[in-house]
Amino acid sequence: NAGVTQTPKFQVLKTGQSMTLQCAQDMNHEYMSWYRQDPGMGLRLIHYSVGAGITDQGEVPNGYNVSRSTTEDFPLRLLSAAPSQTSVYFCASSTRQALTDYGYTFGSGTRLTVV
Amino acid sequence: AQSVAQPEDQVNVAEGNPLTVKCTYSVSGNPYLFWYVQYPNRGLQFLLKYITGDNLVKGSYGFEAEFNKSQTSFHLKKPSALVSDSALYFCAVRDSGNTGKLIFGQGTTLQVKP
Repeated sequence: NAGVTQTPKFQVLKTGQSMTLQCAQDMNHEYMSWYRQDPGMGLRLIHYSVGAGITDQGEVPNGYNVSRSTTEDFPLRLLSAAPSQTSVYFCASSTRQALTDYGYTFGSGTRLTVV
Repeated sequence: AQSVAQPEDQVNVAEGNPLTVKCTYSVSGNPYLFWYVQYPNRGLQFLLKYITGDNLVKGSYGFEAEFNKSQTSFHLKKPSALVSDSALYFCAVRDSGNTGKLIFGQGTTLQVKP
């Protein structure tokens, strides 16, 4: 049981490049979310999913796409990276019951720098 | 829409003194409130929650939080701070529907000095 696994841990992109941040969980959690963490801004919700095939936008979705083809995986795609997307990205997952018990289980994060 | 505010960017306390990290919230309906802690270069770890019941809830590492409905606050407290408590603390509120959305405050850095 590996929990929530994010890859890569670090990434440097050039402006305009695209990439996918991977997130996988092996706990059969139906809820998954992507957050970005910026100094003084806390964690802001980018996209979230309540189950396979179902996704929706959070607070700051512009510039990011997601899909949820399986329960386990919830990749985050940057179509054309911008310096404003330099941040630390966290993936998180949960169940309906766990949302009441402790909220989300978080991955260890991906630190992305766009130059 | 739900929102959370943490009015202090940083809280400084001396080891052995009590600490308080403030949080206020805005929700429609009954609040589901959480506190998380983040150590450097790590993900977030659950500390405690308020769903219903007693206004004083106890959590991990000796932390507790006081829920005050009239002031819409959920302040994190500890009677005696440790240097190892130094970290970034986040208050969060869960969406009252079935979306599973968890909305976070800006975070407060707690610095405990020996």
